[in-house]
Amino acid sequence: QVQLVESGGGVVQPGRSLRLSCAASGFTFKYYGMHWVRQAPGKGLEWVAVIWYDGSNKYYADSVKGRFTISRDNSNNTLYLQMNSLRAEDTAVFYCARGTWLDSSGWYFDYWGQGALVTVSS
Amino acid sequence: DIQMTQSPSSLSASVGDRVTITCRPSQNSSSHLNWYQQKPGKAPNLLIYGASILQSGVPSRFSGSGSGTDFTLTISSLQPEDFATYYCQQALSVTFGGGTKVEIK
Repeated sequence: QVQLVESGGGVVQPGRSLRLSCAASGFTFKYYGMHWVRQAPGKGLEWVAVIWYDGSNKYYADSVKGRFTISRDNSNNTLYLQMNSLRAEDTAVFYCARGTWLDSSGWYFDYWGQGALVTVSS
Repeated sequence: DIQMTQSPSSLSASVGDRVTITCRPSQNSSSHLNWYQQKPGKAPNLLIYGASILQSGVPSRFSGSGSGTDFTLTISSLQPEDFATYYCQQALSVTFGGGTKVEIK
């Protein structure tokens, strides 16, 4: 069965860096685009970033552009999110999600990880 | 940028009620609209994609309709396990709506 397992969350001071990982299993990872979505405490969902199945394209939300970098290792079925210059407003649960693209429907996120909590605080 | 407006932001309903949630993108979205359910402390779960296509394994009491700038998620007969927060998502910009919390009356 499809599994996505995030790791790397924790407490970090403002201005510091953190890298999240998402280990994928149960499907052919190299065939799918992958996304990061975050949710601040008590708030709604915010899309963060996407990477194409082969890593050829990457796109970011304006709120993280220039600070976060999405990447993947298809040989190890792992997705990453490198987060630099972290701010208090980046405090959130970060989810990785498998993206399925259909020309007729666009993207949909059919599998999600359990989430990793990132707390930015001094 | 596309803005996604969901209404209501919350509602109270009883088991067996018919519930309707609306999502209005600020731009024509054709049929590029998804719906997710999220329970407290859990990851979101895909319910509907392509505005009206039921994801495998999702009960048939959930249905989606609409196109352009007016979309609806309907739960035909609310069950105890359906009390949750529901989000729409524009499928090209992947922008989420603000959510609708469905609570027990």
